[in-house]
Amino acid sequence: EPEVTQTPSHQVTQMGQEVILRCVPISNHLYFYWYRQILGQKVEFLVSFYNNEISEKSEIFDDQFSVERPDGSNFTLKIRSTKLEDSAMYFCASRATSGRARTGELFFGEGSRLTVL
Amino acid sequence: GDSVTQMEGPVTLSEEAFLTINCTYTATGYPSLFWYVQYPGEGLQLLLKATKADDKGSNKGFEATYRKETTSFHLEKGSVQVSDSAVYFCASTNNAGNMLTFGGGTRLMVKP
Repeated sequence: EPEVTQTPSHQVTQMGQEVILRCVPISNHLYFYWYRQILGQKVEFLVSFYNNEISEKSEIFDDQFSVERPDGSNFTLKIRSTKLEDSAMYFCASRATSGRARTGELFFGEGSRLTVL
Repeated sequence: GDSVTQMEGPVTLSEEAFLTINCTYTATGYPSLFWYVQYPGEGLQLLLKATKADDKGSNKGFEATYRKETTSFHLEKGSVQVSDSAVYFCASTNNAGNMLTFGGGTRLMVKP
């Protein structure tokens, strides 16, 4: 079954460094998302992306964050200058454009764990 | 805005016990409702879903019924196994169906 893949699975970085998390959504999906989960806490929406632009973003998604679809397959999340509180598991997700699209079902990757020291 | 509230964990049960994890939602319109499961060290997997009132989602012995009158989507399983130990997240879509809002998650621990 097609799946969403994310790299790296775990990244450790120093505070203030830039981090790029990569995702390859399911190939015929056109809606993409980033969520994050701070350890032991709820899964929080960051941003949604459609037609090469951000369609929704949360308050968490401030100027330090950006997303990009640099080619036909990758969807990236960049954190410009990481802070300690950015330590979390970051989940990428994608959504179909027909059939299941109306139900809103998201397909999630296995996550990228970011540790900021 | 839309929100999802689920019972706090951890929930600790013995094998073969009956499980209920409560979930209620607030949303405008007619959201779709989901239960996702996160096994230790893994990502989020869809467990089951329901897209309209009175629908029952089911998978792997788990069930949840979309109750519009009580805005609930409680997760149940008649006989849990040790392998069901995980964190369970209730979620709902917004009215446009393009965003998923999660509850806080409920950790289930099943002891042999």
